[in-house]
Amino acid sequence: GAGVSQTPSNKVTEKGKYVELRCDPISGHTALYWYRQSLGQGPEFLIYFQGTGAADDSGLPNDRFFAVRPEGSVSTLKIQRTERGDSAVYLCASSLRRDNSYNEQFFGPGTRLTVL
Amino acid sequence: AQSVTQPDIHITVSEGASLELRCNYSYGATPYLFWYVQSPGQGLQLLLKYFSGDTLVQGIKGFEAEFKRSQSSFNLRKPSVHWSDAAEYFCAVGDNYGQNFVFGPGTRLSVLP
Repeated sequence: GAGVSQTPSNKVTEKGKYVELRCDPISGHTALYWYRQSLGQGPEFLIYFQGTGAADDSGLPNDRFFAVRPEGSVSTLKIQRTERGDSAVYLCASSLRRDNSYNEQFFGPGTRLTVL
Repeated sequence: AQSVTQPDIHITVSEGASLELRCNYSYGATPYLFWYVQSPGQGLQLLLKYFSGDTLVQGIKGFEAEFKRSQSSFNLRKPSVHWSDAAEYFCAVGDNYGQNFVFGPGTRLSVLP
């Protein structure tokens, strides 16, 4: 079946611009995660959704970053007033659910964001 | 706070040679440990995980890892590397069944023909 998809695969923008990154999770997965992977580093947690609500946004670096998941499926990560330091690969993952048991996270291929 | 170190940034091995990728973690309780592989243009793929029980765990693609609590290590091994194993490998530690991940910085594996 289809895995997690992310669009666009690459995004180049100018400093100060607004960008939106999209994630389509695996159908039926209620938990959705966003990570940021900077060059030479492992992924870092940003935010996770259980259904439509952001259950944990403690990883968002500042208020320029925002994410939504209005219908409990597709999610959009929004970055305002982009800075060069925002350049990274943004990864999305989904899992069947999030509870007191193991639920494997399946990762998408990522969106590479470059801020000039 | 949880943390993961992967001492080797880049490793090169010949095809058919054995492989060991190192991972050390810092975690206050019983850790949930993972190894992921990331190939160019592909999402992270789970190789194996350790929660409890037998400290030697088997994963996909012929990989295995051994949990050593006394050394706070979870090293990944493969007896004979294939050219298709060239990729970036990430060790991760998590709580709550690994739902809160902290990833290491990764080790890039190159395979010589």
